Amino acid sequence: AQSVTQLDSHVSVSEGTPVLLRCNYSSSYSPSLFWYVQHPNKGLQLLLKYTSAATLVKGINGFEAEFKKSETSFHLTKPSAHMSDAAEYFCVVTAYNQGGKLIFGQGTELSVKP
Amino acid sequence: NAGVTQTPKFRILKIGQSMTLQCAQDMNHNYMYWYRQDPGMGLKLIYYSVGAGITDKGEVPNGYNVSRSTTEDFPLRLELAAPSQTSVYFCASSHAGQGTSNQPQHFGDGTRLSIL
Repeated sequence: AQSVTQLDSHVSVSEGTPVLLRCNYSSSYSPSLFWYVQHPNKGLQLLLKYTSAATLVKGINGFEAEFKKSETSFHLTKPSAHMSDAAEYFCVVTAYNQGGKLIFGQGTELSVKP
Repeated sequence: NAGVTQTPKFRILKIGQSMTLQCAQDMNHNYMYWYRQDPGMGLKLIYYSVGAGITDKGEVPNGYNVSRSTTEDFPLRLELAAPSQTSVYFCASSHAGQGTSNQPQHFGDGTRLSIL
């Protein structure tokens, strides 16, 4: 069975400093992995996805993530945080052969200080 | 380009009342999903549909019903509202599911439901 674990429930950074949100996955198959962002009172928006092509995936708003099979990780990074990045971030894996069902991590709340 | 539209945005119900949460998508997606999100938790799948006339249970289906009479619409019904159903409900859609697991899901803005 697939699962994801987000290692931090809350991360706080200063504006202009790097962002690192950590995610480990468990999967018996080659996984499809996603990062979604949720701003307050909004739905989830896709940041980026990994689908067994390049291991370094670039997403929107300057975010990127690296798939590391040896470490079963898919950490999300951004070189320089912006105030508008403050939101909840979810690491997600697709359940294999189950109608595209998604398995969500618990979420990481990112705070950005001025 | 509306995407996924959910109505209403907010609702307060009394215990035992019923209601239908509406979801419509205009992207001609065949797969649609209903999730609930509780504080501090990720999303949990309630029901999903792989096409008109076909629905299936997710992780937490008890207390809910769905129907899919058209490609565009996927309403979620609560028959006897209970306090445990207080949550934020999200509808999502995707182009395909099984066999094409790399297709992202597109989410609505949610319905915030309180049951008192």
